[in-house]
Amino acid sequence: EAGVAQSPRYKIIEKRQSVAFWCNPISGHATLYWYQQILGQGPKLLIQFQNNGVVDDSQLPKDRFSAERLKGVDSTLKIQPAKLEDSAVYLCASSWDRDYGYTFGSGTRLTVV
Amino acid sequence: KQEVTQIPAALSVPEGENLVLNCSFTDSAIYNLQWFRQDPGKGLTSLLLIQSSQREQTSGRLNASLDKSSGRSTLYIAASQPGDSATYLCAVCARDDKIIFGKGTRLHILP
Repeated sequence: EAGVAQSPRYKIIEKRQSVAFWCNPISGHATLYWYQQILGQGPKLLIQFQNNGVVDDSQLPKDRFSAERLKGVDSTLKIQPAKLEDSAVYLCASSWDRDYGYTFGSGTRLTVV
Repeated sequence: KQEVTQIPAALSVPEGENLVLNCSFTDSAIYNLQWFRQDPGKGLTSLLLIQSSQREQTSGRLNASLDKSSGRSTLYIAASQPGDSATYLCAVCARDDKIIFGKGTRLHILP
């Protein structure tokens, strides 16, 4: 089966600019996650979707981050305006059922200068 | 609040040795635990998934064990190879479906 697709792979922006990341999960996977991974740290959950509804966004900085999952398939994560501390790898993961674990995409490396 | 700790943070061993990576978690009420591998600049590749009712899982040279009561999991790598060099992450799925990661162990296999 095709894996989780993410784009772009890399992005460099100046602080205060906006940026958007895209994720297409594995077909049929109802649950979709966005994680932020700062260098040297483990991934931190930003938002979890079940189909097109939000299950958990408690760690999403809502003043600057937003995410949507239209039609319960692909998803976009947006940052506006970006700060230097947003420099990280943004990982998308999907799951059909927690019994089967989670599949991650290759991630988007964001550098804010 | 669930916390996941991985020790050591970094490890270097000569090629051919067997090695053990450790993962501990503070809340034993987990649904499952998953070990991932992450190569530099890449995403996460799933290695092994252990359900809370299981004691261990094996795949090739990898063996993962789970002792839920003591809040521990180990990843055993047999006959290590330079290609095993990567960061290894463990992730715990709690009952509320939250997935909590450790910070990882950076493994370097010396040729």
